[in-house]
Amino acid sequence: ETGVTQSPTHLIKTRGQQVTLRCSSQSGHNTVSWYQQALGQGPQFIFQYYREEENGRGNFPPRFSGLQFPNYSSELNVNALELDDSALYLCASSLGGGKGDIQYFGAGTRLSVL
Amino acid sequence: DQQVKQNSPSLSVQEGRISILNCDYTNSMFDYFLWYKKYPAEGPTFLISISSIKDKNEDGRFTVFLNKSAKHLSLHIVPSQPGDSAVYFCAAKNYGGSQGNLIFGKGTKLSVKP
Repeated sequence: ETGVTQSPTHLIKTRGQQVTLRCSSQSGHNTVSWYQQALGQGPQFIFQYYREEENGRGNFPPRFSGLQFPNYSSELNVNALELDDSALYLCASSLGGGKGDIQYFGAGTRLSVL
Repeated sequence: DQQVKQNSPSLSVQEGRISILNCDYTNSMFDYFLWYKKYPAEGPTFLISISSIKDKNEDGRFTVFLNKSAKHLSLHIVPSQPGDSAVYFCAAKNYGGSQGNLIFGKGTKLSVKP
């Protein structure tokens, strides 16, 4: 059973550019959630995808968008990058729904915006 | 407006002693709580969880206590081991609200000295 994998591990972009981050969910999981973790902070919820549909969104502007594919892998896209977007981006997968549902995290993508 | 607070940024304990990590929350709608552990360059790893209908959950060396009236939970690690040195995040969830939304505290860095 493979865990959650994210790519790339590190990325450097300049302000105004666009970026795509990728996530492969754990085998058997149909739900993917994305989080942003700024330095010294806890992860902050961006959005969640369940069976290819967005299923909840945090307080992030529309330039943060996502996709989930039929194999339940997912992408996070960020347009018009700003300096404050520099952070660790974490993907978590889960079985979806239910009170005991546990989210399992990947190692993250470290994004630096210059 | 932090709904989940971990007021101690760091904690240092001696190997073999008890580590107690604390977490306070403000939202009475939270009905599920989780603890994650994070090593550098890795994603958060699920440790233990507790439903709001319980006041204690134990798994090996790890025990989580929930005091709903005080809106407080704590993680006890007994005995502490050097390998437990990591950042510990408390997270909460409201299953009646936004499904995927784990709300995290800022974390407590635990150092266990040999």
